[in-house]
Amino acid sequence: AQKITQTQPGMFVQEKEAVTLDCTYDTSDQSYGLFWYKQPSSGEMIFLIYQGSYDEQNATEGRYSLNFQKARKSANLVISASQLGDSAMYFCAMREASFGNQFYFGTGTSLTVIP
Amino acid sequence: KAGVTQTPRYLIKTRGQQVTLSCSPISGHRSVSWYQQTPGQGLQFLFEYFSETQRNKGNFPGRFSGRQFSNSRSEMNVSTLELGDSALYLCASSALGRLGGYTFGSGTRLTVV
Repeated sequence: AQKITQTQPGMFVQEKEAVTLDCTYDTSDQSYGLFWYKQPSSGEMIFLIYQGSYDEQNATEGRYSLNFQKARKSANLVISASQLGDSAMYFCAMREASFGNQFYFGTGTSLTVIP
Repeated sequence: KAGVTQTPRYLIKTRGQQVTLSCSPISGHRSVSWYQQTPGQGLQFLFEYFSETQRNKGNFPGRFSGRQFSNSRSEMNVSTLELGDSALYLCASSALGRLGGYTFGSGTRLTVV
């Protein structure tokens, strides 16, 4: 089974609008971390936001927030007030405390912000 | 502080050759991981090093190897290159013991012709 599932290959959003990128995960570990990374065409993976499995509150970093629903095993990224510079690939990822430090990545969502 | 530095940024090699990629982690970070990114397979874990020891390895053939030096800098080597090895190779570093706090470099884009 896939550890991380991103079901939206591509998304469009109007500038200044909010957008939600979906991510579901699969793990039997109690301690894990969920991440979102942005990858522009240059290739660099830019860290956006992190949510620990024991964190009770949803993580927020500026215009980014993570909608963490543990029982549903979902970790959706919400970008508020989209900007043209937000156009990029977005990857959801997970690391499990018990199974080494490797990241499991989803297949990514390509976000295009329309002026 | 300086981020994760990967060199070179771009590389073109011929089938059958070997290649070495370098990764300098953030100062103080002792864990370094490598990932391969291709359009077909996405992002796949190659290996992780901590204190010069390989702690974890992904499902890649033995042609892919790596090492870490005492200053935490890491290299990965691919021998007998194949066309399918063309990819973006990303390195990430972290301070041990934290699930969060991983920082990726800009990657090395390898093209095998």
